[in-house]
Amino acid sequence: DVKVTQSSRYLVKRTGEKVFLECVQDMDHENMFWYRQDPGLGLRLIYFSYDVKMKEKGDIPEGYSVSREKKERFSLILESASTNQTSMYLCASSGLTYEQYFGPGTRLTVT
Amino acid sequence: AQSVTQPDIHITVSEGASLELRCNYSYGATPYLFWYVQSPGQGLQLLLKYFSGDTLVQGIKGFEAEFKRSQSSFNLRKPSVHWSDAAEYFCAVVPNNAGNMLTFGGGTRLMVKP
Repeated sequence: DVKVTQSSRYLVKRTGEKVFLECVQDMDHENMFWYRQDPGLGLRLIYFSYDVKMKEKGDIPEGYSVSREKKERFSLILESASTNQTSMYLCASSGLTYEQYFGPGTRLTVT
Repeated sequence: AQSVTQPDIHITVSEGASLELRCNYSYGATPYLFWYVQSPGQGLQLLLKYFSGDTLVQGIKGFEAEFKRSQSSFNLRKPSVHWSDAAEYFCAVVPNNAGNMLTFGGGTRLMVKP
């Protein structure tokens, strides 16, 4: 089975802190994705990566950056966390067959 | 604009009743189609997918979905709902020219009455 893990299930950070969310997949997938999920807004794509060191902006990249130094790992970085970044963050990966496999999510609260 | 629509935000059914969740898309060519389920506080789990071929596809947990090209729909069904099916359900598509980019519907929250 495909396994996508995220470093934390719950995270509480203060405004202005730098926040790292880590995602690891074990299926040698080329593509990895970061979404945020908010009530009433559904899932929105922040960034994705189709190869090591490659990244593309999604629909809402502002305030975020990403890093993919190894194929199995995709990190989402909040350079200076703000309260409007309080959300559920979901990581996913996919290979050649398009379906995406999701991690359990990280619920981030910024106070 | 190209989109995926799930018209029902909330649905409540009785345990043992049948279920149909609606999904419509507005893309010119038939996209790749998916249904995901999300239990509270969890990530999304793939229920089933349609790429081509037989328009009735079977998935996990007793779910099935039917692709209807004429209606641009991909509705999810289950003949008899269990209390454990209470969750949020997302329809998603990959347009044929969009690589691996999933576009999600807004989701339908299913509640199951005892």
